[in-house]
Amino acid sequence: EAQVTQNPRYLITVTGKKLTVTCSQNMNHEYMSWYRQDPGLGLRQIYYSMNVEVTDKGDVPEGYKVSRKEKRNFPLILESPSPNQTSLYFCASSLSSHTLGQPQHFGDGTRLSIL
Amino acid sequence: GENVEQHPSTLSVQEGDSAVIKCTYSDSASNYFPWYKQELGKGPQLIIDIRSNVGEKKDQRIAVTLNKTAKHFSLHITETQPEDSAVYFCAAGGSQGNLIFGKGTKLSVKP
Repeated sequence: EAQVTQNPRYLITVTGKKLTVTCSQNMNHEYMSWYRQDPGLGLRQIYYSMNVEVTDKGDVPEGYKVSRKEKRNFPLILESPSPNQTSLYFCASSLSSHTLGQPQHFGDGTRLSIL
Repeated sequence: GENVEQHPSTLSVQEGDSAVIKCTYSDSASNYFPWYKQELGKGPQLIIDIRSNVGEKKDQRIAVTLNKTAKHFSLHITETQPEDSAVYFCAAGGSQGNLIFGKGTKLSVKP
């Protein structure tokens, strides 16, 4: 089954404790992206990757890191999490970038709580 | 910067009525306009999309219209059913190769 898999689905942690949210897709997609969703703000892009070893900042990249060493994986790293990073996070992938008009496939989300 | 405005933020309709959600975008280079439906506890799922060379697209009870001159596009759901209740997001394919999302519309369909 074609899917985007995020782990963990839920995490409660403390300020400053490094964490990684993994994202994996099995559709051989080139484009992957991370979003955060907050009430009243919709989906805001954190980082995206057009292909392996190519990553770019989205609208809200501060406090986050990403890497794209393999085509299928795109982990999101919070080196020193803070309470304002408490949010619902989504990973998404598409065949290529949206200049070509490709739909994005989303994972089911990771709810992070930073105390 | 690039922006997508979505209205209304909440919409309540009676089962069987139609629902319309409208979006406007700022980047005239945008050429791809998807609509997503998000149910509770799930990620957004694509329900319909339209490209800039088309003015209207229909898929059963769902249709999308695009006015490139005015830079707005709309989602139309006819004969609404309770299972249509969800949050709907519009998006515009930006000139940077990414998607800019609207803030979402919470649709409630009352039986």
